[in-house]
Amino acid sequence: AQSVTQLDSQVPVFEEAPVELRCNYSSSVSVYLFWYVQYPNQGLQLLLKYLSGSTLVKGINGFEAEFNKSQTSFHLRKPSVHISDTAEYFCAVSGPAGYQKVTFGIGTKLQVIP
Amino acid sequence: GAGVSQSPSNKVTEKGKDVELRCDPISGHTALYWYRQSLGQGLEFLIYFQGNSAPDKSGLPSDRFSAERTGGSVSTLTIQRTQQEDSAVYLCASSAGQGVHTIYFGEGSWLTVV
Repeated sequence: AQSVTQLDSQVPVFEEAPVELRCNYSSSVSVYLFWYVQYPNQGLQLLLKYLSGSTLVKGINGFEAEFNKSQTSFHLRKPSVHISDTAEYFCAVSGPAGYQKVTFGIGTKLQVIP
Repeated sequence: GAGVSQSPSNKVTEKGKDVELRCDPISGHTALYWYRQSLGQGLEFLIYFQGNSAPDKSGLPSDRFSAERTGGSVSTLTIQRTQQEDSAVYLCASSAGQGVHTIYFGEGSWLTVV
């Protein structure tokens, strides 16, 4: 079984400040990791994903995440946030290869304060 | 089609009535998912279809919930004898299949049980 824990339900941050949204996972097998974003009144869209290779993954809108196998984490970061980054962010895990049930965390609401 | 299409976008129903929610995945996508999004609950996995394989129904919350996928394309999620706790946004997603891990979400069907 696999699960995802997003430790912060809400994260307020001032515009142009850095942000880190935390995600930890548990799985008995190799995993693939994702961050999805849901802007207000919109559907979910993929922000970035880790399948293999480099543990530092870059996504859209200046976001990046680092896969840390020893800490079973996949934290999302952005060095300088913008008002338009206000959204809900979901961490997700799937695996193993060939079986793609995707399990999501409960989400973290990022509120960027002007 | 260009994206995952869901209908209806909004449904208000009386407690005890049955409802059907429809999902039309992206053309050619073999994997189809249903999730439920409730306030404070994140994305709850309901069911996963992959090609002709038996669906993974492990997330269906009760036997009032069922889903089918006809011809490997369109899917219908049926909720019988609706209860107020069924009120949520029901999200459908699809992906191109095994080995391809990006899933694309529809806009969701907002169900309100009164």
